[in-house]
Amino acid sequence: SQQGEEDPQALSIQEGENATMNCSYKTSINNLQWYRQNSGRGLVHLILIRSNEREKHSGRLRVTLDTSKKSSSLLITASRAADTASYFCATVRYNNNDMRFGAGTRLTVKP
Amino acid sequence: DTGVSQDPRHKITKRGQNVTFRCDPISEHNRLYWYRQTLGQGPEFLTYFQNEAQLEKSRLLSDRFSAERPKGSFSTLEIQRTEQGDSAMYLCASTRADGGYTFGSGTRLTVV
Repeated sequence: SQQGEEDPQALSIQEGENATMNCSYKTSINNLQWYRQNSGRGLVHLILIRSNEREKHSGRLRVTLDTSKKSSSLLITASRAADTASYFCATVRYNNNDMRFGAGTRLTVKP
Repeated sequence: DTGVSQDPRHKITKRGQNVTFRCDPISEHNRLYWYRQTLGQGPEFLTYFQNEAQLEKSRLLSDRFSAERPKGSFSTLEIQRTEQGDSAMYLCASTRADGGYTFGSGTRLTVV
């Protein structure tokens, strides 16, 4: 079964704008990860945030985690057309070894 | 090793046939995962190996599905008596403990 739920399901923005995607989950987690997937390809790991962390940065990416609300957000700043892809959040629970994904947000960045 | 390799990239098979997919993980990763993804959905967990031991299986993994990881290296996923509902992308991933997962490019299965 899916664990995370992304919001919105689809997002369309202009190049240069910021894109924010949200993820909610249901159970206690060890860490939360964000992945990108270009159409028909495998997933690429973007960033991992642990349950005791609140914010992480990686280049143009900023991830926040609020364990009290069981939610996370991914911010992509100064978006580029090449950022067009589906973005998934995935959670790893304590004492559990599998990672569960949400249905993803489809991001389109128009040049 | 530059990444996780999956073979074949595409497989078209007739309903009722058996198919087998292979995954070669990153050599120093002891954990290997299989996921299934259908169009417009996120990957769904199928099964997980730590070294050669299969530690968890999803309820999605019916008795027609079997996975192995002999000697804790490459893994195979076999689907027996394929059905049209098995059509999907089958993704393999590997990781060390508590890290990000590295995914292969997947095997796209079409059952006709």
